[in-house]
Amino acid sequence: EAGVAQSPRYKIIEKRQSVAFWCNPISGHATLYWYQQILGQGPKLLIQFQNNGVVDDSQLPKDRFSAERLKGVDSTLKIQPAKLEDSAVYLCASSLAGAKRAGELFFGEGSRLTVL
Amino acid sequence: ELKVEQNPLFLSMQEGKNYTIYCNYSTTSDRLYWYRQDPGKSLESLFVLLSNGAVKQEGRLMASLDTKARLSTLHITAAVHDLSATYFCAVDNQLAGTSYGKLTFGQGTILTVHP
Repeated sequence: EAGVAQSPRYKIIEKRQSVAFWCNPISGHATLYWYQQILGQGPKLLIQFQNNGVVDDSQLPKDRFSAERLKGVDSTLKIQPAKLEDSAVYLCASSLAGAKRAGELFFGEGSRLTVL
Repeated sequence: ELKVEQNPLFLSMQEGKNYTIYCNYSTTSDRLYWYRQDPGKSLESLFVLLSNGAVKQEGRLMASLDTKARLSTLHITAAVHDLSATYFCAVDNQLAGTSYGKLTFGQGTILTVHP
């Protein structure tokens, strides 16, 4: 079974530039998450989608971050304009909502962002 | 606000020894997860603990959950070098009537196993 796919794996930009990350979840997984992991810390939830609707975006800095999940499959996370403190790994995860193991998240390898 | 604290944050062990990592959390939850992360890699699911008293074992790792004490433990038996990694516990912040998966992670425990 293919896992969660993310791209790009690495991105270096200057502050005030924009960047976009893409995620393709495990086939059939209805729920998709974006987490931010700053070096030396545990991941922090940014946004949760159920199919193509937003379940929780309370921790998403909406003045600069946006995310969408068109057609309930792939998702993109955009940062515009980027700040130095946005340097982190952006992890996409998916889960089979409603199954016995609902809530178990499967993570992609992440997109590492460096803002200079 | 849910807080999750792990200790120790750094653990250096000799091969063959036993040790326990502790995960305390601040509000009621009955779903707790343990993940492993190797340097530069993503998170690998180790255990899903779904109820009070749940105990799961896989190889040299055993996890347990006490929801009354708001405590989970990850016990390592006879450590080997391959277990060197960062271990995270995560607590589900689920809201009634919605799907699960809003996880709050601990800071992580960096485990190094020496020969």
